[in-house]
Amino acid sequence: DAGITQSPRHKVTETGTPVTLRCHQTENHRYMYWYRQDPGHGLRLIHYSYGVKDTDKGEVSDGYSVSRSKTEDFLLTLESATSSQTSVYFCAIATLGESYEQYFGPGTRLTVT
Amino acid sequence: AQSVTQLDSQVPVFEEAPVELRCNYSSSVSVYLFWYVQYPNQGLQLLLKYLSGSTLVKGINGFEAEFNKSQTSFHLRKPSVHISDTAEYFCAVSDTGGGNKLTFGTGTQLKVEL
Repeated sequence: DAGITQSPRHKVTETGTPVTLRCHQTENHRYMYWYRQDPGHGLRLIHYSYGVKDTDKGEVSDGYSVSRSKTEDFLLTLESATSSQTSVYFCAIATLGESYEQYFGPGTRLTVT
Repeated sequence: AQSVTQLDSQVPVFEEAPVELRCNYSSSVSVYLFWYVQYPNQGLQLLLKYLSGSTLVKGINGFEAEFNKSQTSFHLRKPSVHISDTAEYFCAVSDTGGGNKLTFGTGTQLKVEL
């Protein structure tokens, strides 16, 4: 158990509304990631962070922004949700060095109507 | 940039039979390779990884995979599957340059039948 929680776990929202998803870790890992999972696409990287206030874009970053003001929290914001952003969102943390593994949170199921 | 191909979207197999899930990757740089398993309505769990060294790696739940650099493959195998192995399996790759950004395949649904 890598101590990763995501909130909310489920959310239904309307097109055009802002949405923020939260990822919280308890083990002080430097690297954190946001992925989305869609049928037929596997998981795709949205944004990642390599430290407080240090973030970068992933493969599918359009329409998303992130913030990391504390080591333990990584926020994903949809400024104006669209139906194409209906997905399951996973947060992950990475242990680097010799172990070099990535651990995933339980996911947030977001539906945009 | 890397890419991962999992040609089999679904693999049905009878319990106690062997299974192989195929994974091929494309990359212009050195890579690390991973297999993850996802049970229904859960997050992803790491099965095994290849970073360096022996090309045959063993993971949890009796799974193993072999890295073949010439064929750019990292196929997952289990000699005898159990009904509890029914899940979706994802192959993933990252470059060795740092950051551990994973590129995933589209997944293979393994269905074990009695």
